[in-house]
Amino acid sequence: NAGVTQTPKFQVLKTGQSMTLQCAQDMNHEYMSWYRQDPGMGLRLIHYSVGAGITDQGEVPNGYNVSRSTTEDFPLRLLSAAPSQTSVYFCASSYGVGGRTEAFFGQGTRLTVV
Amino acid sequence: GQQLNQSPQSMFIQEGEDVSMNCTSSSIFNTWLWYKQEPGEGPVLLIALYKAGELTSNGRLTAQFGITRKDSFLNISASIPSDVGIYFCAGPLGGGADGLTFGKGTHLIIQP
Repeated sequence: NAGVTQTPKFQVLKTGQSMTLQCAQDMNHEYMSWYRQDPGMGLRLIHYSVGAGITDQGEVPNGYNVSRSTTEDFPLRLLSAAPSQTSVYFCASSYGVGGRTEAFFGQGTRLTVV
Repeated sequence: GQQLNQSPQSMFIQEGEDVSMNCTSSSIFNTWLWYKQEPGEGPVLLIALYKAGELTSNGRLTAQFGITRKDSFLNISASIPSDVGIYFCAGPLGGGADGLTFGKGTHLIIQP
């Protein structure tokens, strides 16, 4: 049982390049989300999904796109990378049963935009 | 958006000491989660709280859901070197499983 798997672990992009951060979960969770973590900060929500075909914006969505075609996968796309998007990105999956929710995180992707 | 204020920002303690940290919010939460993050890793869930006044333990860790529903506390008893890391409190942004808001973390450093 792998939990939440993120790839790649590290990435360097040039300003203006595009890329997709991959996230897959094998826990059959309905909910998935993306966060970014900057030095000295907690995690901030970028986008989330409450099920296949349904996505919505979080606190800091600008510059990022998502889609959710399957329960297992939730990729995050940077269409035109900017230095301000240098950060560590975490994907999480969670369930919500009886009003309870617990999110489980991947190991992160460290992205540097130069 | 909702903001969680976590304190202290960092703690330098001796091995064997007890640790206390807290998290406050201007809004009411129906869930409080405590996570630990080690270098190069994602956050790992330690304790989940769902009811005001609830006190829950996980080994040497004990967390409480404040009566006002605007705060939560995490205590670690008899700290050991592997307790080193950053501890985050988190709560749901909305009413359901639509993402979390996090505090800025408490960095725990243990001096031998």
